[in-house]
Amino acid sequence: GQQVMQIPQYQHVQEGEDFTTYCNSSTTLSNIQWYKQRPGGHPVFLIQLVKSGEVKKQKRLTFQFGEAKKNSSLHITATQTTDVGTYFCAGPKGNTPLVFGKGTRLSVIA
Amino acid sequence: DSGVTQTPKHLITATGQRVTLRCSPRSGDLSVYWYQQSLDQGLQFLIQYYNGEERAKGNILERFSAQQFPDLHSELNLSSLELGDSALYFCASSVEGAENTEAFFGQGTRLTVV
Repeated sequence: GQQVMQIPQYQHVQEGEDFTTYCNSSTTLSNIQWYKQRPGGHPVFLIQLVKSGEVKKQKRLTFQFGEAKKNSSLHITATQTTDVGTYFCAGPKGNTPLVFGKGTRLSVIA
Repeated sequence: DSGVTQTPKHLITATGQRVTLRCSPRSGDLSVYWYQQSLDQGLQFLIQYYNGEERAKGNILERFSAQQFPDLHSELNLSSLELGDSALYFCASSVEGAENTEAFFGQGTRLTVV
C-alpha cells in the first residue's frame, strides 16, 4: 500500500486563491520529488528536494522539505486555470525507487 | 513529449486473455519502471528494470510479468486478465535509479477488460 500520505485528496479553489498540498512519510526520505498530472495526461516531473529544510521556488510554486525529511509541501500562489491537475509527491521507500502518494486533485474555478 | 513511447495507447480485451504492453525509454535511459493507475488511485509501482536486470519489485501480481530487452525497451505482460485489471499503465524511464533522478513518463496504455 501507499507509504507516502498526501492531503487533501481534493481541493477546489477560486481562481486567484492559494493552494497547498502536504505530503507525509512515516520514515525519513533521502529525497522527495513532485509531479503534476494534467487531466488525461501523464505525470510530469516538477522538482526534487534533497536537503533538510530545503525551499525551492518555481514562479508561483513553492516547494518545501521538512527539517526531519519526513514531510513536504507544495504551495501555489494565486492559482490559475492552468494549474488544474493532480499533484503527486514521491519518494524512495526501501528498495522501491519511487513510491507515490495518492495525489491531490486541484480544481480551479474561473 | 517526454521521449518515452508506450504502445498501444488503448487496449480493449476480454477476461481471461493475455496482453503485452510495450515501452521504449528515452534515449540513454537505463532504468524502466512500470506503474498502474486505477480510477481515483495513485500510481502503484509494479516493477523496475535497470540495464536489462530486474532491480525492484512492487505489488505486481503473479499473473503479471515484465522484462527489459538488450535494446532497453521493456514489455509488461498481463495474463488471465480480470475486470479489476482495467487501468492506466504507465512506463517511466530515468538515467539511473529514480531515487536520484527524475523519472520521465510515457503517455500510458489504457487497458479495458470486458
